[in-house]
Amino acid sequence: DAKTTQPTSMDCAEGRAANLPCNHSTISGNEYVYWYRQIHSQGPQYIIHGLKNNETNEMASLIITEDRKSSTLILPHATLRDTAVYYCIVRVNYNQGGKLIFGQGTELSVKP
Amino acid sequence: DTEVTQTPKHLVMGMTNKKSLKCEQHMGHRAMYWYKQKAKKPPELMFVYSYEKLSINESVPSRFSPECPNSSLLNLHLHALQPEDSALYLCASSQVNRSHLYGYTFGSGTRLTVV
Repeated sequence: DAKTTQPTSMDCAEGRAANLPCNHSTISGNEYVYWYRQIHSQGPQYIIHGLKNNETNEMASLIITEDRKSSTLILPHATLRDTAVYYCIVRVNYNQGGKLIFGQGTELSVKP
Repeated sequence: DTEVTQTPKHLVMGMTNKKSLKCEQHMGHRAMYWYKQKAKKPPELMFVYSYEKLSINESVPSRFSPECPNSSLLNLHLHALQPEDSALYLCASSQVNRSHLYGYTFGSGTRLTVV
């Protein structure tokens, strides 16, 4: 699976949009981009994923560049409860369950 | 039921003890996973079970012994652990053939301390 690069930490003001970047320049054509987050002392939580097109759900939006070498997770109106470590993961769809390998992630702090 | 339940939430064990961690899900997921997470580090994959059979072992020491007795349960048996094995142990589950569509569901973990 391709390696991802994320900033170590970011700050965001409460109520503003949080834009979390991720570089995955070695991504292959059949690899998906996933985002998970982990709030302190809890298990990781699935947020969103995509292959080529931009995606939106009730939690966030995922913008993938046309060359697929980078993506941005957008939390449109960040709240204090969005403070967490955000992981960008790239992986192939394995039919045997497969591996979800976490990188170092971005520690997002939402401030009042 | 859309949860993965892990018990116990906290466990303290001596280096000569034998203990087990338990993970349960009722979402019909046929892939289940154990991860280990040290403080301030990302989760590290340990084992993958697919249709109750071990499909991936990430070179985990034999003092960790996984077991999947049925499609809803996943255990991790612990024996002769070292203090450096103290960590948060996370269980996750997913659909096998469509895990790319729905992602993984994680439990809240068992915080293990080896003394």
